[in-house]
Amino acid sequence: QSALTQPASVSGSPGQSITISCTGTSSDVGDYNFVSWYQQHPGKAPKLMIYDVTNRPSGVSNRFSGSKSGNTASLTISGLQAEDEADYYCSSSTSSNTLIFGGGTKLTVL
Amino acid sequence: QVQLQESGPRLVKPSETLSLNCIVSGSSISDTYYWGWIRQPPGEGLEWIGTIYHLGYTYYNPSLKSRVAISVDTSKNQFSLRLTSVTAADTAVYYCARGDRGSGSPYNWFDPWGQGTLLTVSS
Repeated sequence: QSALTQPASVSGSPGQSITISCTGTSSDVGDYNFVSWYQQHPGKAPKLMIYDVTNRPSGVSNRFSGSKSGNTASLTISGLQAEDEADYYCSSSTSSNTLIFGGGTKLTVL
Repeated sequence: QVQLQESGPRLVKPSETLSLNCIVSGSSISDTYYWGWIRQPPGEGLEWIGTIYHLGYTYYNPSLKSRVAISVDTSKNQFSLRLTSVTAADTAVYYCARGDRGSGSPYNWFDPWGQGTLLTVSS
């Protein structure tokens, strides 16, 4: 099962909104609502930001939102802040009974 | 507040077996959640290794299935990872994490995660 496709990097200025895409197939992202997003700062463990496509865990800022259209899921961060600079990973269940991750996206806050 | 802590050797020789434990605090491992292992080679992305339910049901990444075993010890409130015949490609930070609720899916989200432990395969 191939990894999900994410852009290697995205950037934005403080206060702006950015969107990170996560493209899969009809056997994973397109077929399941088990899509999650993680934030990882350097040297730290990943932190769950979005689960089941659109849900935010308790304590996660409402500046983070998730969506899905067809085989592509998206993470949007609004009101960009310096602390949002990190790597972001998506994940999805698959029809082969596995869990796959995207390759990761490095977010730079300019 | 649930916390997870990985423990085990930091260095393993090629062809040997990797063994790691994940001690869970703030929650009973018999609670209705899945528990999983994920790894991240230095400078690379995340790879799901496998997931276990406290009753012993296991779910593995097909690419590792022939070499991996995950078990649970409810008396110690911990779960463990064994990976046999390791090579340099198994060098990675290994994370343990709590998964989705038992009514959900073993192939879903993980939260929270342990701090991770860097395991190096080298002679």
